[in-house]
Formats: sequence, C-alpha cells, structure tokens
Amino acid sequence: EVQLVESGGVVVQPGGSLRLSCAASGFTFDDYTMHWVRQAPGKGLEWVSLISWDGGSTYYADSVKGRFTISRDNSKNSLYLQMNSLRTEDTALYYCAKDRVLDYWGQGTLVTVSS
Amino acid sequence: QSALTQPASVSGSPGQSITISCTGTSSDVGGYNYVSWYQQHPGKAPKLMIYDVSNRPSGVSNRFSGSKSGNTASLTISGLQAEDEADYYCSSYTSSSPWVFGGGTKLTVL
Repeated sequence: EVQLVESGGVVVQPGGSLRLSCAASGFTFDDYTMHWVRQAPGKGLEWVSLISWDGGSTYYADSVKGRFTISRDNSKNSLYLQMNSLRTEDTALYYCAKDRVLDYWGQGTLVTVSS
Repeated sequence: QSALTQPASVSGSPGQSITISCTGTSSDVGGYNYVSWYQQHPGKAPKLMIYDVSNRPSGVSNRFSGSKSGNTASLTISGLQAEDEADYYCSSYTSSSPWVFGGGTKLTVL
C-alpha cells in the first residue's frame, strides 16, 4: 500500500525557515517524480514544486522560486522542502504527492506563518 | 502562472449527469494531453480521478469521464450520487511551469 506521510509543519514567524519532510513507503521511491502542493485555509490547490526521480531536475512555482528548495534522499525514501524567507501568504497545508500525475497524496502538514 | 478557470460551483440531482469545465490556453490545456482531475472531500487529501485527459486510475468508477476540446477540458460525472459531493480540481502541464491547478469547483448533489 502506498503511503506518504508529511511532517515538520509548525507555527513560524515571518522571515523564518522550516524544512518539511515526506516519508514514502509501499512503492519504489526512486522510480518516481515527486511533488509538493499546498492549500491555504479555505482555498484551492496550488502546485509548489517537483523533483525528478534522481533529483537532477527541479521546478518551482513563481511564488516560491528563490525561497524554497526541494530535495530527496532515495536511500531514505524521503522527500524534503526547505522553506526560507517565509511570508504570511505561505500559510497552508502542504501535501506531498507521487508521480507525474499526482496519483497518491499524503494527508498534509500545516505550516502557519504568523507573528 | 495563472490558474486554470473552473466554475465556482455546479449542482445536480441524484441520477443526473453534470459536467465541470476547465479552461486554459494553448500553453497548457490546449497544448498538451496532460490534464488531470482530482476530487477532494472536506478535510481529506485530494484523490486522482482522471489523468492524461481521459484515463481513469484503477478503482475509480466509470461514472467519471474526461475529455478535451481546444483549450477547455471537461469532467463529466454520470449517475450522480450523494457521495460525489465534493470539490473538484483540474490540473495541466504548462510550458511556463510544469503544473498548474484550476481554482476548484464545488459540486452539490441536491
């Protein structure tokens, strides 16, 4: 059974940093592209970032480019999102999702940026 | 990276069919056959319902179907059931950034 479990979400002040993690199981992790997608409270889905199976290619939404860094450790079946220079508008539930078509999603981890 | 355009809400009675549209441009929906649809119930993670315009993952009911014409993709749900009441999001590959989502459509089953 495919499982994706996000962690690392907390309350952080504007300008702060945070690293989210996504632990994957139930599939061959290093075969797949992985995504981060976020959802602000009461709002729609916003694609954030993706990383290729080997970590060699990464892409970002304009809203986070230069502030967020996606990475993965295939030996640990884990995906990460390093978030720097956080803004109040980054407050959201952050999901990791598997494969180009985002066929499996975790339950999300909540990031709150507030002073 | 403008979001794809979806109607804010649609509704239908049990047993009826409804269609949700997703309008983009030639740089996303119209340019690639990489449109997906996701269902999200309140407090739950999104679930993939359709990928690559019209393909259904295993386990998804055949009451759900997808299509595309020009810059507009569509999700049709036939034989509407109470459990179909949820938010629906489209997404597409784009030339400017790999992926973009629509704003979401709230489906109400009357």
